[in-house]
Amino acid sequence: GAVVSQHPSRVICKSGTSVKIECRSLDFQATTMFWYRQFPKQSLMLMATSNEGSKATYEQGVEKDKFLINHASLTLSTLTVTSAHPEDSSFYICSAADGHNEQFFGPGTRLTVL
Amino acid sequence: KQEVTQIPAALSVPEGENLVLNCSFTDSAIYNLQWFRQDPGKGLTSLLLIQSSQREQTSGRLNASLDKSSGRSTLYIAASQPGDSATYLCAVKETSGSRLTFGEGTQLTVNP
Repeated sequence: GAVVSQHPSRVICKSGTSVKIECRSLDFQATTMFWYRQFPKQSLMLMATSNEGSKATYEQGVEKDKFLINHASLTLSTLTVTSAHPEDSSFYICSAADGHNEQFFGPGTRLTVL
Repeated sequence: KQEVTQIPAALSVPEGENLVLNCSFTDSAIYNLQWFRQDPGKGLTSLLLIQSSQREQTSGRLNASLDKSSGRSTLYIAASQPGDSATYLCAVKETSGSRLTFGEGTQLTVNP
C-alpha cells in the first residue's frame, strides 16, 4: 500500500528558530501534497496544497512567509516554520495524493516551541 | 463553503456493543467520502472510502453508508472491542478539487 513518511516525528525548538519538516511518499509519486495542522482535541485544518514544481496554494489565514513550503520532487515536500513562536506548537500532518487522487497521510510531526 | 459535522463528539460503550457514528455535510456535490481512524498522537488511517455513486462500503466489522442527497453518512461498528478505541474522522472530497474537508471527529472509548 501507499506509504507516506514524515521526519522528524517530534521536535522541540526555541522561540525564534526555524524548523523544517519533511514529507515523503515512499512507494508512489505524488504530484500533489497537502499540509495540515491539528490542535489538541480538534480536527485537521488544511494549511496549504503543494504541487510539484510550482508554488503552494495557501488557505485563508495561513501566512505564506511564515510557513514555507517546497515541493521539489514527486516524492518530497517540506514545510519550514520560520521564526517559530509558542502558538505555532501543534501537530503537523502531511498527505500525498496518488494518481487516483486518493490521499495517504503521514504519521505526523509534533512541534513544541518553547 | 463545505462544512462537515460529526455526532456525537464522544462516545463510551461497553465491549461487544454495536454502534453508529454519524457524519453530515452541507454541500451534497461531493466526489467521495472517507472515514479515518486516528490514535492519540498519531496520523490517520483510512478505514473506508465511498465514492459518490456508491451507497455503502464494508470492511470486516465496519460498514459505512452514504446518502448523498441528504448529506449524511454513518459508520457502523459491529461487536466493538477495546482496540477500537480511537478518534474517528469523516472527510469529504469536493468535486471541484482534491481537497478534503474534515469533521471534528468522534472520540470512541470501548470499555472492557
